[in-house]
Amino acid sequence: AQSVSQHNHHVILSEAASLELGCNYSYGGTVNLFWYVQYPGQHLQLLLKYFSGDPLVKGIKGFEAEFIKSKFSFNLRKPSVQWSDTAEYFCALGEAAGNKLTFGGGTRVLVKP
Amino acid sequence: EAGVAQSPRYKIIEKRQSVAFWCNPISGHATLYWYQQILGQGPKLLIQFQNNGVVDDSQLPKDRFSAERLKGVDSTLKIQPAKLEDSAVYLCASSFRTNTEAFFGQGTRLTVV
Repeated sequence: AQSVSQHNHHVILSEAASLELGCNYSYGGTVNLFWYVQYPGQHLQLLLKYFSGDPLVKGIKGFEAEFIKSKFSFNLRKPSVQWSDTAEYFCALGEAAGNKLTFGGGTRVLVKP
Repeated sequence: EAGVAQSPRYKIIEKRQSVAFWCNPISGHATLYWYQQILGQGPKLLIQFQNNGVVDDSQLPKDRFSAERLKGVDSTLKIQPAKLEDSAVYLCASSFRTNTEAFFGQGTRLTVV
């Protein structure tokens, strides 16, 4: 069965610091990978996605993620965070064959002004 | 475009009572998901529909949970009878088809007392 692991449950940063959130997955087939974000009081929304092609994908609000197949990883990065990036971030794996979407446990990010 | 609509937003019930949640996906979206998100955890897929057929319900506790999408549009998730451990946010999501981005509703926060 597929699974997604997010290593950090809580991250606290100062504004302008760089952010990297780890995501590792377990699945034997072709995968689609996603990062979703949930801002306080809002619904889950897509940050970025990887289906195929260039393993470095760029999303909204300056976020990017790199798919490293050999490491089963899809880490999220942002060079310089803002207070408005305070949110919970979820990595998700979709089976290419059926798009069953499996989520990791999430990482709460707090950016201090 | 209108998003995924869910109701009610909040529900408090006593254990052993029944409860139903409603979801109206984005128009034209064939795939509909119900997720359960317990506090501090990532969303867990309960059931996935493709039009009005069930694609995956392997994690649905079928002794107490049921879901339907009779006309392939809106969907209802029911819990009968509820247990304390069912306290969670129930998320509905939809996508145009499999292997595309899923859009989430605001969720229904259920508290079982």
